[in-house]
Amino acid sequence: QQQVKQSPQSLIVQKGGISIINCAYENTAFDYFPWYQQFPGKGPALLIAIRPDVSEKKEGRFTISFNKSAKQFSLHIMDSQPGDSATYFCAASITSGTYKYIFGTGTRLKVLA
Amino acid sequence: DAGITQSPRHKVTETGTPVTLRCHQTENHRYMYWYRQDPGHGLRLIHYSYGVKDTDKGEVSDGYSVSRSKTEDFLLTLESATSSQTSVYFCAIRGRDNEKLFFGSGTQLSVL
Repeated sequence: QQQVKQSPQSLIVQKGGISIINCAYENTAFDYFPWYQQFPGKGPALLIAIRPDVSEKKEGRFTISFNKSAKQFSLHIMDSQPGDSATYFCAASITSGTYKYIFGTGTRLKVLA
Repeated sequence: DAGITQSPRHKVTETGTPVTLRCHQTENHRYMYWYRQDPGHGLRLIHYSYGVKDTDKGEVSDGYSVSRSKTEDFLLTLESATSSQTSVYFCAIRGRDNEKLFFGSGTQLSVL
């Protein structure tokens, strides 16, 4: 029940295309769903996040779509750029108590110029 | 980087030796975490702390211990390093909004 399943493991997209990464969770107690972006040699950095009371959140070229009934959420990167090439992690957490974060296994995105 | 410093940044050690990694924060955050990152496994929680001398186990705690004697420092110790502990280790702190995690730059540990 603690798992967050992420797919695909790797993704290659042409510049200007749309990158889509999917995640699924099981524990309905999760109430915060962030996406992290990680460049080589760096720590993960928060990219965008959503709460389950909304179905979509957009920040610039990055959009999270959230389907509560299906227990799935996805990251869409519009107009993908070579600078977006990085590893992306989804996560799910319960924002109370000891507040553990559960991460997906990561997606390595490469955007071709 | 939310004032997080990890040291050392890189370390090579031999099997059976003890290793201590340090995480230092400057912003007086209560919650601190140690994760390891491995290909195909993402980020897995080793131990976390919710205050001075208050720590608990994560999902991959075997072979690791932690200590937090001061708010600003969270130490991760491998009592007797094994090759399976070769990994990148990240420290993280919980933001004051109780939502975001902020990560350090990581420690690359190689156990030969």
